[in-house]
Amino acid sequence: DQQVKQNSPSLSVQEGRISILNCDYTNSMFDYFLWYKKYPAEGPTFLISISSIKDKNEDGRFTVFLNKSAKHLSLHIVPSQPGDSAVYFCAASASNTGNQFYFGTGTSLTVIP
Amino acid sequence: DSGVTQTPKHLITATGQRVTLRCSPRSGDLSVYWYQQSLDQGLQFLIQYYNGEERAKGNILERFSAQQFPDLHSELNLSSLELGDSALYFCASNNPHNPYGYTFGSGTRLTVV
Repeated sequence: DQQVKQNSPSLSVQEGRISILNCDYTNSMFDYFLWYKKYPAEGPTFLISISSIKDKNEDGRFTVFLNKSAKHLSLHIVPSQPGDSAVYFCAASASNTGNQFYFGTGTSLTVIP
Repeated sequence: DSGVTQTPKHLITATGQRVTLRCSPRSGDLSVYWYQQSLDQGLQFLIQYYNGEERAKGNILERFSAQQFPDLHSELNLSSLELGDSALYFCASNNPHNPYGYTFGSGTRLTVV
């Protein structure tokens, strides 16, 4: 049972434009969400997080939006750069399950120069 | 270098065999998590250890087992290997003062032939 879903396996965006990566979850108990970025032959690295008490968190070119009623979050990258080309994983956890995170299947982003 | 070390990086073995994957967490991190990433799958949580004790169990097969040693390194043992066990196996660690945001190792790519 996939509790965190990323329905777009891949996304291509022109350099300088906005990249929007989407993530849906089914467990209403999830209260903390993270995005990880993964390059080939490397492990995922933490990118940005958001708590359920917020609906937006910004860090430079990266912004995460959370819509709790829709159980949906999105990652916006503006402007997109070729170095952003990677696989992006969405992850979620519920505070009453300790630190166990559930991951989506990932979206492969390609930024075209 | 994330600080989480996984060995070996690559492993090729035959069906029915047994292998051991090793993980050294980042200095100061007490928790170790094991994840499996199969083709077109997200990161599937296998098992978590905290300071030597099993803390949480995910979709880990009975043929798989893990342990965390007093020096906090962890080993994931995979036995009676099947072709479907071919995957990337990631280890991640974190510490009580930073409960969110795992640090991942670069993974072990297991190929069962």
